[in-house]
Amino acid sequence: KNEVEQSPQNLTAQEGEFITINCSYSVGISALHWLQQHPGGGIVSLFMLSSGKKKHGRLIATINIQEKHSSLHITASHPRDSAVYICAVSRGANSKLTFGKGITLSVRP
Amino acid sequence: ETGVTQSPTHLIKTRGQQVTLRCSSQSGHNTVSWYQQALGQGPQFIFQYYREEENGRGNFPPRFSGLQFPNYSSELNVNALELDDSALYLCASSSGGFTDTQYFGPGTRLTVL
Repeated sequence: KNEVEQSPQNLTAQEGEFITINCSYSVGISALHWLQQHPGGGIVSLFMLSSGKKKHGRLIATINIQEKHSSLHITASHPRDSAVYICAVSRGANSKLTFGKGITLSVRP
Repeated sequence: ETGVTQSPTHLIKTRGQQVTLRCSSQSGHNTVSWYQQALGQGPQFIFQYYREEENGRGNFPPRFSGLQFPNYSSELNVNALELDDSALYLCASSSGGFTDTQYFGPGTRLTVL
């Protein structure tokens, strides 16, 4: 079993829909990262969080440390949100990042 | 754009050859991490350099080696290339540790024939 699991594997949504992407992890962590990867490879860090909730524009990330679960929400989705969304965790300041496989999101106009 | 650059963008090599990939970190960052991403998979941590010293290593054989320079730019060297080394190689810079936001470069696509 992978230390970081993401669901669903692939997701298709209609423009304007509210989207939720989930991430579960099986180890104690110091931080959880949400990353976005567009075709061609470039990765952008969206959020880093260790508790609670963060919001940036139409994106909201939450984490429940007790349940070892995090969600990334996209409100009013747009075709430009189409990308791979990756969850990664770190277990300490000097600990490597462990990544999930990522979820491919397609938002149709 | 993150300010992290990688070169080359694409590279084709044959089995047994050696390759050097380069990464320039974002201004003010002293930490560079390298990742390998196979097609359809999440990135896998190769190693991290902090102030010119290796600061953690993933499950990769010794033929994967690295270097960080005084200006904090970094190199990834892979010897005796194998077909399975074909992947996207990403570097990320940060101001310290894995609990800081990592800024990724665009990656180098390596194909081993």
